[in-house]
Amino acid sequence: AQRVTQPEKLLSVFKGAPVELKCNYSYSGSPELFWYVQYSRQRLQLLLRHISRESIKGFTADLNKGETSFHLKKPFAQEEDSAMYYCALRYQGAQKLVFGQGTRLTINP
Amino acid sequence: GAVVSQHPSWVICKSGTSVKIECRSLDFQATTMFWYRQFPKQSLMLMATSNEGSKATYEQGVEKDKFLINHASLTLSTLTVTSAHPEDSSFYICSWGYEQYFGPGTRLTVT
Repeated sequence: AQRVTQPEKLLSVFKGAPVELKCNYSYSGSPELFWYVQYSRQRLQLLLRHISRESIKGFTADLNKGETSFHLKKPFAQEEDSAMYYCALRYQGAQKLVFGQGTRLTINP
Repeated sequence: GAVVSQHPSWVICKSGTSVKIECRSLDFQATTMFWYRQFPKQSLMLMATSNEGSKATYEQGVEKDKFLINHASLTLSTLTVTSAHPEDSSFYICSWGYEQYFGPGTRLTVT
């Protein structure tokens, strides 16, 4: 079965430090990978997707099929990055997303 | 991004009663929408996928007779929790379209 694993429930870094949120998936086909973010008291929103290969709010994520990973990275964390981050996968032919358990990122001043 | 609304934002009901949650996409239309449930400090759990004009596809373990989904248009879907019990207390979230634009969620508390 398709599965998304975010090994860190909590991640805390200092402002200005690099941050990496890990995401691994299990799926033998060609997946679509996404990162969603939920700021405090706000709805879940799409941050970025692997097919776009774009940088949003300074975040990037590269799909590594060999390692089945889609880690989210930002070189210099900002306090406003504090939020809950979810990695999600859509497998070929599917409509639905499979979500990881989420990582709560806290940026300390 | 697209705007999705949910109503009510918070509802308290007595055990045994039914509750209807409404989800609307305000500025776009989509054939497919999704209902999720989120327990405190847990991830989203997909309950069902709904395509307009068709019966919803429920995930394993989700009772279709308990969680009734009506998806009558490209912009409106409702989730009815029938004969609610305290264990149904949760945050219910909808999303619309292939892009999955999420609503703000509805907090259901069953007493």
